[in-house]
Amino acid sequence: EAQVTQNPRYLITVTGKKLTVTCSQNMNHEYMSWYRQDPGLGLRQIYYSMNVEVTDKGDVPEGYKVSRKEKRNFPLILESPSPNQTSLYFCASSSVDRVFSPLHFGNGTRLTVT
Amino acid sequence: GQSLEQPSEVTAVEGAIVQINCTYQTSGFYGLSWYQQHDGGAPTFLSYNGLDGLEETGRFSSFLSRSDSYGYLLLQELQMKDSASYFCAVLFTGGGNKLTFGTGTQLKVEL
Repeated sequence: EAQVTQNPRYLITVTGKKLTVTCSQNMNHEYMSWYRQDPGLGLRQIYYSMNVEVTDKGDVPEGYKVSRKEKRNFPLILESPSPNQTSLYFCASSSVDRVFSPLHFGNGTRLTVT
Repeated sequence: GQSLEQPSEVTAVEGAIVQINCTYQTSGFYGLSWYQQHDGGAPTFLSYNGLDGLEETGRFSSFLSRSDSYGYLLLQELQMKDSASYFCAVLFTGGGNKLTFGTGTQLKVEL
């Protein structure tokens, strides 16, 4: 089954404790991206990657890091989480072989930073 | 900056037709897409307009008018399961590959 898998689904942590949210896709997609969703603000792009070893900032990259060492994986790293990073996070992927390809989203990670 | 505006909430009755608008401020973009999200779950793709006009996919249709900086999602024969949030999204030209989403419209379908 074609899917984007995020882990964990829920995470509660404390300020300053480094964490990683994993994202993996099995569709051989070149493009991968991270979004955060907050009430009233919709989905905002954090980082994206066009292919292995190619990453770029989205609209809200501060406080986040990503890496793309393998095509299928695109982890989101919070080196020193803060309470304002409490949010619902989504990973997504798509192919780039057409002008438009729909995004396939993971099931989300609900992060709480206390 | 570039922004997409949607109504925050729309309510309609089962069996009715509802239109969710998306207006934007930009000089250029590749196309307008729509996604559905149930209760904080994974957003799922609904429709895409690369050109002006109407695209129909079953009960859902989407429309784009670049000259009016406006698009909409039309849902016909509403069902209770259509209660969800709906997001428009565009990939603006000149902005790398940053996909921008609207703030979303929560649709409530009532009996």
